[in-house]
Amino acid sequence: EPEVTQTPSHQVTQMGQEVILRCVPISNHLYFYWYRQILGQKVEFLVSFYNNEISEKSEIFDDQFSVERPDGSNFTLKIRSTKLEDSAMYFCASGMDTVNQPQHFGDGTRLSIL
Amino acid sequence: GQNIDQPTEMTATEGAIVQINCTYQTSGFNGLFWYQQHAGEAPTFLSYNVLDGLEEKGRFSSFLSRSKGYSYLLLKELQMKDSASYLCAVVSGGSYIPTFGRGTSLIVHP
Repeated sequence: EPEVTQTPSHQVTQMGQEVILRCVPISNHLYFYWYRQILGQKVEFLVSFYNNEISEKSEIFDDQFSVERPDGSNFTLKIRSTKLEDSAMYFCASGMDTVNQPQHFGDGTRLSIL
Repeated sequence: GQNIDQPTEMTATEGAIVQINCTYQTSGFNGLFWYQQHAGEAPTFLSYNVLDGLEEKGRFSSFLSRSKGYSYLLLKELQMKDSASYLCAVVSGGSYIPTFGRGTSLIVHP
């Protein structure tokens, strides 16, 4: 069964450094998402992406964050200058459609900011 | 905004039945998802309800009452591997993005 893959599984970065999290969505999916989950807390939406542009973003997704689909398969999340509070599990998800269709999540990247 | 409430933790015995409730307050309801999340892993899709009633899928069923802002996930013939967090997520308003509840941690013991 096709799946969403994310790399790396764990990223440790110094505060203030840039970090790029990578995702390969399911190949025939059209909608792409990033979520984060701080340890012990709920899954929070960051951004959705469709047709090569951001379709929706949350208040969390400020100017420090950006997304890109550099080629036909990868979908990346960049955090420009990381803060301690960016430490979380970051999940990429993809879907065939929007409402009525489930999102398929990757296994996540655990980001630890020191 | 949305307010989604689920119990924090539940325990049950292997082989038993457990019902996990979710209540929500929202405007422009568009659907409700249930996801399962094992510790340190990704959420995996269990069910989707948009109309009132019960959706059955093997050992798992999900119920929705839109007028009451209420859903439950019913797990039958519990197995040890069902120990996980169960996330209720609601889609509403003009957005198609699900808002997740805090999840219910289910512990299944022998």
